[in-house]
Amino acid sequence: TQLLEQSPQFLSIQEGENLTVYCNSSSVFSSLQWYRQEPGEGPVLLVTVVTGGEVKKLKRLTFQFGDARKDSSLHITAAQPGDTGLYLCAGAADYGQNFVFGPGTRLSVLP
Amino acid sequence: DAGVTQSPTHLIKTRGQQVTLRCSPKSGHDTVSWYQQALGQGPQFIFQYYEEEERQRGNFPDRFSGHQFPNYSSELNVNALLLGDSALYLCASSLGPRAAEAFFGQGTRLTVV
Repeated sequence: TQLLEQSPQFLSIQEGENLTVYCNSSSVFSSLQWYRQEPGEGPVLLVTVVTGGEVKKLKRLTFQFGDARKDSSLHITAAQPGDTGLYLCAGAADYGQNFVFGPGTRLSVLP
Repeated sequence: DAGVTQSPTHLIKTRGQQVTLRCSPKSGHDTVSWYQQALGQGPQFIFQYYEEEERQRGNFPDRFSGHQFPNYSSELNVNALLLGDSALYLCASSLGPRAAEAFFGQGTRLTVV
């Protein structure tokens, strides 16, 4: 059974600070996705990474896929209150396999 | 371009009843997956439908069943509802069952009382 762990579970920071959240597994994933979810809403896809060592940037967000494709990180620069939400990582062991989700990191950015 | 749409948005049912949730995939997508998200947890995979057949199934009892229609829309049915079935039910669509990414609807909040 594949498991994804995310850390920290909760994070509360001031506007303008930088932060990094982590997604780890003992399993290898063919692809890994990061989603952001607001209360009562569905997850919104932020990025998909498929190549070990891959780095993708989305404005102030930087995503990295580990060389062994077992872990990933999300770094946010100069966090804003609009970044508040639940950040979920999800991986698939192989194309065609269902996505396994981590429990999420709940981020709160205070103005 | 319509995204994934789910109905209803909220639903309250009594223990023992049956419920049907509906999902229309993103335009051009032919694969639908259903997830259950309990409060404070990540989504858990229920099953996936492609070409009107259940292709994969997670660790959920037979009380959970589904259907996919020729227009790729899908239904999730839950029989004999339990209090523990209360959750946000999410539908995700993708282009083919081997897609590297999926797009989610806003979910249906089911409360069982």
